[in-house]
Amino acid sequence: AQSVTQPDIHITVSEGASLELRCNYSYGATPYLFWYVQSPGQGLQLLLKYFSGDTLVQGIKGFEAEFKRSQSSFNLRKPSVHWSDAAEYFCAVARGAGSYQLTFGKGTKLSVIP
Amino acid sequence: DTAVSQTPKYLVTQMGNDKSIKCEQNLGHDTMYWYKQDSKKFLKIMFSYNNKELIINETVPNRFSPKSPDKAHLNLHINSLELGDSAVYFCASSQPPGAGNDEQFFGPGTRLTVL
Repeated sequence: AQSVTQPDIHITVSEGASLELRCNYSYGATPYLFWYVQSPGQGLQLLLKYFSGDTLVQGIKGFEAEFKRSQSSFNLRKPSVHWSDAAEYFCAVARGAGSYQLTFGKGTKLSVIP
Repeated sequence: DTAVSQTPKYLVTQMGNDKSIKCEQNLGHDTMYWYKQDSKKFLKIMFSYNNKELIINETVPNRFSPKSPDKAHLNLHINSLELGDSAVYFCASSQPPGAGNDEQFFGPGTRLTVL
């Protein structure tokens, strides 16, 4: 079964600083990978996804993520964090095309210092 | 014009009661899901329906029964509520996986508190 690990439970950065949130997955074949963001009291919103092709994917709100097969990683990055980015971030994996099951990591809470 | 809506947003009830949470999507999707988010924010899929047919039923107690009257609705009925059922329940919808766009759209969640 696939699994997702987000090693950092809580990260605090200063506004304007760069950000990297780590995500490692466990799955034999090429997975479908996602990053979702959850603002306080809200549902989840998709930031970006990787299915195939270019391993560097661009998402909304200035986020990007890079798929590294050799490291089984799909880390999320942003060059300059804004206070409004404070939220919970979830990495998720699906077993490729035709899979109904999305497995989530336990999330990383991002706090932003003004 | 909310894409995925859930009612109610908050639900407080006593142990042993039966309650329902409703979900509706206006995106024309064939696939709908229920997720449970526990107090530690861990999200886990409970059910997945495609075209009103049950696809995934994770290890969820029989007290939980999803019902899909049509493709736009997936309701969750819970019998004999227990303290451990307290959580935030999210509904989601998507195109059928493999159709080219596997993005799941999530509702705002229903916070269930069992006293």
